[in-house]
Amino acid sequence: DAKTTQPPSMDCAEGRAANLPCNHSTISGNEYVYWYRQIHSQGPQYIIHGLKNNETNEMASLIITEDRKSSTLILPHATLRDTAVYYCIVRVAQAAGNKLTFGGGTRVLVKP
Amino acid sequence: DAGVTQSPTHLIKTRGQQVTLRCSPKSGHDTVSWYQQALGQGPQFIFQYYEEEERQRGNFPDRFSGHQFPNYSSELNVNALLLGDSALYLCASSPGQTSNEKLFFGSGTQLSVL
Repeated sequence: DAKTTQPPSMDCAEGRAANLPCNHSTISGNEYVYWYRQIHSQGPQYIIHGLKNNETNEMASLIITEDRKSSTLILPHATLRDTAVYYCIVRVAQAAGNKLTFGGGTRVLVKP
Repeated sequence: DAGVTQSPTHLIKTRGQQVTLRCSPKSGHDTVSWYQQALGQGPQFIFQYYEEEERQRGNFPDRFSGHQFPNYSSELNVNALLLGDSALYLCASSPGQTSNEKLFFGSGTQLSVL
């Protein structure tokens, strides 16, 4: 699976949009981009994933650049409960096994 | 739906002992994976079980072993515990071994080795 690079930390004001970048310059054509987050004392929680088109669900939006070498997770209206570590992961679709390779993630602190 | 449940939530052991952690997958899921998360780091994949067999393994020694039961629940066993085995152990389940489905994680078992 391709390696990802994320900033180690970022702050965000409550009620504002949070834009979390992720670089995956070695991504292959059959690799998806996944985002998970981990709130303190809990297991990781799936947020969203995509291949090349932008995706949106009730939690967030995922913007993938046309060359697929980077992506941005957007939390449209951050709340204090969005404070967590956010992980960007790339993995092959239909891979044998569901192994996820987590990096260090981005520690997001939402401030009042 | 209870989601992924793990037991116990916390455990304290001493070096050299053996430990067994338990996981019940989300309803409808037949594949279970285990992860180790050291303090301040991202989770690291240990292994995955599907159809009661280990299907994929990460870079962990043979002291780490597992089992999956016919009801899809799973156990993680660690023998000859080392201080470095202190970590949060996470179980994740999914509906299928090769699906592109998202994983559902439990809240983990916090293991402390003294």
